[in-house]
Amino acid sequence: DTEVTQTPKHLVMGMTNKKSLKCEQHMGHRAMYWYKQKAKKPPELMFVYSYEKLSINESVPSRFSPECPNSSLLNLHLHALQPEDSALYLCASSQDSTANYGYTFGSGTRLTVV
Amino acid sequence: AQSVTQPDIHITVSEGASLELRCNYSYGATPYLFWYVQSPGQGLQLLLKYFSGDTLVQGIKGFEAEFKRSQSSFNLRKPSVHWSDAAEYFCAVGLYNFNKFYFGSGTKLNVKP
Repeated sequence: DTEVTQTPKHLVMGMTNKKSLKCEQHMGHRAMYWYKQKAKKPPELMFVYSYEKLSINESVPSRFSPECPNSSLLNLHLHALQPEDSALYLCASSQDSTANYGYTFGSGTRLTVV
Repeated sequence: AQSVTQPDIHITVSEGASLELRCNYSYGATPYLFWYVQSPGQGLQLLLKYFSGDTLVQGIKGFEAEFKRSQSSFNLRKPSVHWSDAAEYFCAVGLYNFNKFYFGSGTKLNVKP
């Protein structure tokens, strides 16, 4: 298995809703990442988990809450989002806690906040 | 400060023509260099990467890239473009032993029939 699987592929949520994005990999990778990508822009790093511990938070608002229950699974919990949070959310993983080997990206969750 | 520049926002080439996408970086040391491709609404797929050694690297889908230290460049090339190559291309730079990428702003490739 050489994939990063993200669910759901599309999500529409209201500003008062609570929802979660899920990311899974079975490549034995020890680092996992959340990126946010707005239209016509490059991905922007949100969070890095290294060996199941949060190692980087790029000053992301608290309405985004990451969770890494085990080495294969990464969640992003969403609460009280704003319309400007609508974007493609990408999960990625890497072999170790460095960028040395590159990242494997999932196909993303397209989030629309209404 | 580190930076990655892709000077071309849009490029249009005819099918069968050759392609070169430009990428320049600004770092104090030799970085780890990557090219990713993204089809509309999809995630990013790794085309190729450069760590060290031979400065001409081969990737998937017939792409290659050449690292030129003197020009701080890592340009992506393909001898003959196919219609299916139409996508957004991102150059990315990573620092050795550091788990963070810096992405360029992307180049959108259109392919004319």
